[in-house]
Amino acid sequence: GQNIDQPTEMTATEGAIVQINCTYQTSGFNGLFWYQQHAGEAPTFLSYNVLDGLEEKGRFSSFLSRSKGYSYLLLKELQMKDSASYLCAVRDDSDYKLSFGAGTTVTVRA
Amino acid sequence: DVKVTQSSRYLVKRTGEKVFLECVQDMDHENMFWYRQDPGLGLRLIYFSYDVKMKEKGDIPEGYSVSREKKERFSLILESASTNQTSMYLCASSEQENTEAFFGQGTRLTVV
Repeated sequence: GQNIDQPTEMTATEGAIVQINCTYQTSGFNGLFWYQQHAGEAPTFLSYNVLDGLEEKGRFSSFLSRSKGYSYLLLKELQMKDSASYLCAVRDDSDYKLSFGAGTTVTVRA
Repeated sequence: DVKVTQSSRYLVKRTGEKVFLECVQDMDHENMFWYRQDPGLGLRLIYFSYDVKMKEKGDIPEGYSVSREKKERFSLILESASTNQTSMYLCASSEQENTEAFFGQGTRLTVV
């Protein structure tokens, strides 16, 4: 099975940088995903890592270390609209099962 | 654009009723998933399917069953609804590997 941990809440100031960590223990691994979810809406895809290293996409970057079972999502130049829940998800390599962490609620303050 | 459509946004059912939640995707995806989302618990996987007529239990399958008779449709069934099944239910679909899952808008089910 999968055990995925991430912090419950984080608060940051507009224009700042925030790093959301995710650690996982899995029986098999075939990729790690980050999703953003605004209140009352469905999750939307942000990033995907399957190899070690950093993936950059505009203001958002995601890092993966498979040997450490660790990932982070970096949000730069924070905007008020970035206030949302950020979900870390891991795919199993044997049956394509996609499991999620409980999510990190990020609040951006002016 | 990929579209995952859930049949209802809001649903109110009585305890003991049989409830069907329908999900349809239009991108010929092999994988489909049903999650429930509760405050503080995140998305918990109920069932998933990686092919037509195939189904696999997720982390919390008790009290639920699923049906996948056609590739595009994945149904979640609550055999006898109970109040602890009041939740937001989210359906998702994806290709088999190396791509993200796309979510439907969710069905907020209240069991009274």
